[in-house]
Amino acid sequence: DIQMTQSPSSLSASVGDRVTITCRASQSMSSYLNWYQQKPGKAPKLLIYAASSLQSGVPSRFSGSGSGTDFTLTISSLQPEDFATYYCQQSYSTPHTFGGGTRVEIK
Amino acid sequence: EVQLVESGGGLVQPGGSLRLSCAASGFPFSSYKMNWVRQAPGKGLEWVSHISSGGSNIYYADSVKGRFTISRDNAKNSLYLQMNSLRAEDTAVYYCARVRVDRGVDYFDYWGQGSLVTVSS
Repeated sequence: DIQMTQSPSSLSASVGDRVTITCRASQSMSSYLNWYQQKPGKAPKLLIYAASSLQSGVPSRFSGSGSGTDFTLTISSLQPEDFATYYCQQSYSTPHTFGGGTRVEIK
Repeated sequence: EVQLVESGGGLVQPGGSLRLSCAASGFPFSSYKMNWVRQAPGKGLEWVSHISSGGSNIYYADSVKGRFTISRDNAKNSLYLQMNSLRAEDTAVYYCARVRVDRGVDYFDYWGQGSLVTVSS
């Protein structure tokens, strides 16, 4: 099974900050990497698919990059509605494992 | 509008069974792969199971293999998860999710609101 390791597990940031979250896979998986945002009590929401493609309707301040084993989700200017937990997920092989999550909190 | 609505959750004793349903609308259900994902209280997301559009390709997480069965009824636009031999560690919110494919990459573009399953005596 492919293990997905996210870092950091949590971070504190201010509105307007640039935020970067990383996800490392235990084996190379090309661009089979997706990012989701989840707010408390809500279902996850797709942000980025295939490592760098922005889902329709998602603000352009979100971007994804990477290939192989190392991937990054960047929020260029953090907004109040972005405080949430973010998960990466690989779809290279089953089980389609998720990372442990990164909680973005208000500083 | 795409909608996925789960039902069937509740409280069940260890060793018991439960069947979750996911009613789909707003898209051609029979054309899409579907998945179940769960989230234990205060924990992260865990992929559970996958079924192809026609139901012929099925995969499970090791943690549920042999106890859970995914199925679908394309005539009824519905996805199911039959859960047997339930354990305390199966306690979670269960989400159904639609799969889209781009350049061979599967991703979950729509999710249901979730159905809580609690396994406790």
